[in-house]
Amino acid sequence: GNSVTQMEGPVTLSEEAFLTINCTYTATGYPSLFWYVQYPGEGLQLLLKATKADDKGSNKGFEATYRKETTSFHLEKGSVQVSDSAVYFCALKRAAGNKLTFGGGTRVLVKP
Amino acid sequence: EAGVTQFPSHSVIEKGQTVTLRCDPISGHDNLYWYRRVMGKEIKFLLHFVKESKQDESGMPNNRFLAERTGGTYSTLKVQPAELEDSGVYFCASSQKMWTGGINSPLHFGNGTRLTVT
Repeated sequence: GNSVTQMEGPVTLSEEAFLTINCTYTATGYPSLFWYVQYPGEGLQLLLKATKADDKGSNKGFEATYRKETTSFHLEKGSVQVSDSAVYFCALKRAAGNKLTFGGGTRVLVKP
Repeated sequence: EAGVTQFPSHSVIEKGQTVTLRCDPISGHDNLYWYRRVMGKEIKFLLHFVKESKQDESGMPNNRFLAERTGGTYSTLKVQPAELEDSGVYFCASSQKMWTGGINSPLHFGNGTRLTVT
């Protein structure tokens, strides 16, 4: 079956530091890949996505590249802010499906 | 436009009791999804409604869980009787059309209901 594995948190870093959250997946076919973010007290929000190999999703300074050869979709940001403190979820959707398979989430805490 | 609203935001009940969670989707959204995150693990799909019909309930864990969407508007998820392992955050999401991952009919999530079973 489909599955998503992401690094466990919490990840604590200082403002302006570089952030990487690893995500790997197992799926048949060619899934779409997503990063969702949950800020404190809020619901899940789509951060970025990629629908095919070598696509790069980007938003709010975050980037992730769909790497089919390594079945990965690592999230990166070059300079984090305190406002980036949140829980980040990697997810996939099968090509023919309409439901998401999520990873376990990674809590990120950015300190000033 | 109001977003997806979930009630209550937090519920604490004892093992064996009954709890009903409610989700109000965005007005006009025919598709409604329930997900849950148990014990800080991955978020898992529970079921999908199209209007009042259950399109896919493959993720429902057992018969202690009952989801309804009478009239195709709001939905309820009842847990009866609740067990300790049911503790977690229950998310609801809605989309106007069947969500396919594209931008034409995005998926909107609510803030979730945190359920604690003691």
